Amino acid sequence: QVQLVESGGGVVQPGRSLRLSCAASGFTFSSYSMHWARQAPGKGLEWVAVMSYDGSKEYGDSMKGRFTISRDNSKNTLYLQMNSLRVEDTAMYYCARDAYGGNGFDPWGQGTLVTVSS
Amino acid sequence: EIVLTQSPATLSLSPGERATLSCRASQSISSYLAWYQQKPGQAPRLLIYDASYRATGIPARFSGSGSGTDFTLTISNLEPEDFAVYFCQQRSNWPLTFGGGTNVEIK
Repeated sequence: QVQLVESGGGVVQPGRSLRLSCAASGFTFSSYSMHWARQAPGKGLEWVAVMSYDGSKEYGDSMKGRFTISRDNSKNTLYLQMNSLRVEDTAMYYCARDAYGGNGFDPWGQGTLVTVSS
Repeated sequence: EIVLTQSPATLSLSPGERATLSCRASQSISSYLAWYQQKPGQAPRLLIYDASYRATGIPARFSGSGSGTDFTLTISNLEPEDFAVYFCQQRSNWPLTFGGGTNVEIK
């Protein structure tokens, strides 16, 4: 079955960096655009970034210049490099597959928690 | 950035009742709207895409409607497992955006 498993979260100090990974299985990873989204504790959802199957990328406004999305199709893995982390980046980070021709995210992984704190 | 406003913030209903959730976009997004359900401690789950199409495996009691700026998610005959938070999301323009959510709670 289709599965997405995130890893790489943890506690990091403001200004430091962290790289998240999302391991995909059960589908042809290279054929799908993939997204990152996040959710601060007790808050709503915020879209972070997308990398399409053809390599193009888009980012949320507050992530531009600090976050970089990438993928390794040979490893069926999506990445999110997060630099210059801020306290307000504290959130559960989810990866999700583009679905229905870009009309939704399905499925989502279980998430990995990033806490930015001194 | 397209802002999605969901209302009400909280909906208190009993099992068996009908839930009507609203999502309003700050500008026209055609039918490029999805709805998600999220339960505590879980990742979101796609319910509806393109405003009115149910995702695979989603029960028929979930339905979506609307186009342009006004959209509705209807849950007919609420089941106990339907009490959760619901989010809308647009894909018309970058950046993609989500609404703030509606919490459907047991009355």
